[in-house]
Amino acid sequence: AQSVSQHNHHVILSEAASLELGCNYSYGGTVNLFWYVQYPGQHLQLLLKYFSGDPLVKGIKGFEAEFIKSKFSFNLRKPSVQWSDTAEYFCAVGGATNKLIFGTGTLLAVQP
Amino acid sequence: DAGVIQSPRHEVTEMGQEVTLRCKPISGHNSLFWYRQTMMRGLELLIYFNNNVPIDDSGMPEDRFSAKMPNASFSTLKIQPSEPRDSAVYFCASSLSDRPGDTQYFGPGTRLTVL
Repeated sequence: AQSVSQHNHHVILSEAASLELGCNYSYGGTVNLFWYVQYPGQHLQLLLKYFSGDPLVKGIKGFEAEFIKSKFSFNLRKPSVQWSDTAEYFCAVGGATNKLIFGTGTLLAVQP
Repeated sequence: DAGVIQSPRHEVTEMGQEVTLRCKPISGHNSLFWYRQTMMRGLELLIYFNNNVPIDDSGMPEDRFSAKMPNASFSTLKIQPSEPRDSAVYFCASSLSDRPGDTQYFGPGTRLTVL
């Protein structure tokens, strides 16, 4: 069965610090991988996704993620966070259907 | 585009009452998803439809929950009778097609409180 694991439940960083949020998945087949973000009081929106091709995916607002098939990972990175990046971040995996399985989320707080 | 529209945005009801949540997907989108978000369980897929047909309802908690999609522009999620443990934020999302990898666009959610 598909599953997604986000190891960091709550991350606190200072502005300009580098960010890496972990995401590991379990799925025996071709995968599609997503990172969604939920800003305070707002709905979920897509940050970036991997469907095929270059395993290094660049998304909005300077975020990127790398698909490492051998490690079943799709970690999210940003070299320098801003206060406005404070949000909850969700990793999700899809497979042969358009159904997605979401991780439990990582709450990021960026201190000014 | 107005995006995915959900109503009501907030619902407070008493245990035992019927609750109906509504969703209007983005025009032209053929797939619709209902999720529930709680602190304990995170974001769970309840049911999804492709071309108005329910495809997978394995996430629906129990018989008290039902979902319908009578046409391409409207879906409902009904809870009858409601219980306090149903308190959560319920999100609706839609995607353009049923192809794997299609981006899902989320609505603002309905925050349900069952007293």
